[in-house]
Amino acid sequence: DGGITQSPKYLFRKEGQNVTLSCEQNLNHDAMYWYRQDPGQGLRLIYYSQIVNDFQKGDIAEGYSVSREKKESFPLTVTSAQKNPTAFYLCASSMDRGASGANVLTFGAGSRLTVL
Amino acid sequence: GQQVMQIPQYQHVQEGEDFTTYCNSSTTLSNIQWYKQRPGGHPVFLIQLVKSGEVKKQKRLTFQFGEAKKNSSLHITATQTTDVGTYFCAGPRGGSNYKLTFGKGTLLTVNP
Repeated sequence: DGGITQSPKYLFRKEGQNVTLSCEQNLNHDAMYWYRQDPGQGLRLIYYSQIVNDFQKGDIAEGYSVSREKKESFPLTVTSAQKNPTAFYLCASSMDRGASGANVLTFGAGSRLTVL
Repeated sequence: GQQVMQIPQYQHVQEGEDFTTYCNSSTTLSNIQWYKQRPGGHPVFLIQLVKSGEVKKQKRLTFQFGEAKKNSSLHITATQTTDVGTYFCAGPRGGSNYKLTFGKGTLLTVNP
């Protein structure tokens, strides 16, 4: 089955530690995204990547880093510089629709990070 | 910057009652998308509306896009317990196909 796999599902870390969240897709989608979701909030865009070896900052990129070395993979590192890292992190991918309209997102199951 | 407001934030209904959530954008949208997130789950795409005044139906769900392309609504007829979840609208920002602005969502709970 095609889809997006995020791991780990739950993660606990101490303050000051970096942590990397994995995201892999087998949908052959060009674009990939990272969103952050806090209770009662909508989704906020952290980073996105349109193609391999290229990525762009979203609305809340500070304290996060990404890489896109392969089409299938878009890992997110939450660094110690991120002041409030405890959140639900969602990875998504989309086929590039070009001029046809905004890309429709397929989401992974999410990774819940708790910083103690 | 562009804002997408959703109301209400919460809605509790008895099973069988209707439900409507509204989405309003501060700017004109080229299109609008709707997603549903079940409790403990992840957002799942429901539909995309593109044309001014467009109305689309999916079984008991009716989606509308306003004439001015600045507002949208989702109406559920005769809610069921399977409708429980948070419904989000999202619109592209700044002419980018890659940047979606999400509303904060409407959490629907259904009493059986």
